[in-house]
Amino acid sequence: GQNIDQPTEMTATEGAIVQINCTYQTSGFNGLFWYQQHAGEAPTFLSYNVLDGLEEKGRFSSFLSRSKGYSYLLLKELQMKDSASYLCAVIDSNYQLIWGAGTKLIIKP
Amino acid sequence: DTAVSQTPKYLVTQMGNDKSIKCEQNLGHDTMYWYKQDSKKFLKIMFSYNNKELIINETVPNRFSPKSPDKAHLNLHINSLELGDSAVYFCASSSSSGGTDTQYFGPGTRLTVL
Repeated sequence: GQNIDQPTEMTATEGAIVQINCTYQTSGFNGLFWYQQHAGEAPTFLSYNVLDGLEEKGRFSSFLSRSKGYSYLLLKELQMKDSASYLCAVIDSNYQLIWGAGTKLIIKP
Repeated sequence: DTAVSQTPKYLVTQMGNDKSIKCEQNLGHDTMYWYKQDSKKFLKIMFSYNNKELIINETVPNRFSPKSPDKAHLNLHINSLELGDSAVYFCASSSSSGGTDTQYFGPGTRLTVL
């Protein structure tokens, strides 16, 4: 079966750094997305990785290791507005998007 | 301008009723999707249309029927609503059905079945 694992919930402090991990077992791999979803709102695109390595975009970076079936989202200089759920999604061999259940990130002052 | 819009934003109805949710995108995308997000926040694909043609139809009760009058619209009709249908329904679109394109989501429709 296809499976994407993320921690259910994480807590971090304003101004700090947090890493949200995602591991996947899917039938094939054609890329991995990270989306952010604030409570009561729609998911919005954060990043897309298809090659191994780190992609940096401002305060957010996303890393991928295809051989390990592993990705992480790194958030630096955390702000209160970063409190949200972070969804990992993998494109399988049929080019279908398989979604993780999301990680709820709580930022404390 | 809103890229992907859905109406209504909230829908409260009785069991057994029939209801529709409308979705429109003005991004010029070829592919549109319907997702269901339940209380556990898990996002599940229901349907996907590419240029008005159905390409993904996951295991969804046949009480749910999508309709795409043109590639900018994908509506969802639900017959004989049940308590378990209560969830947030998201419409999304992407430029193609290739799977590697970013999906843009509508604001969601919170359906509550009483």
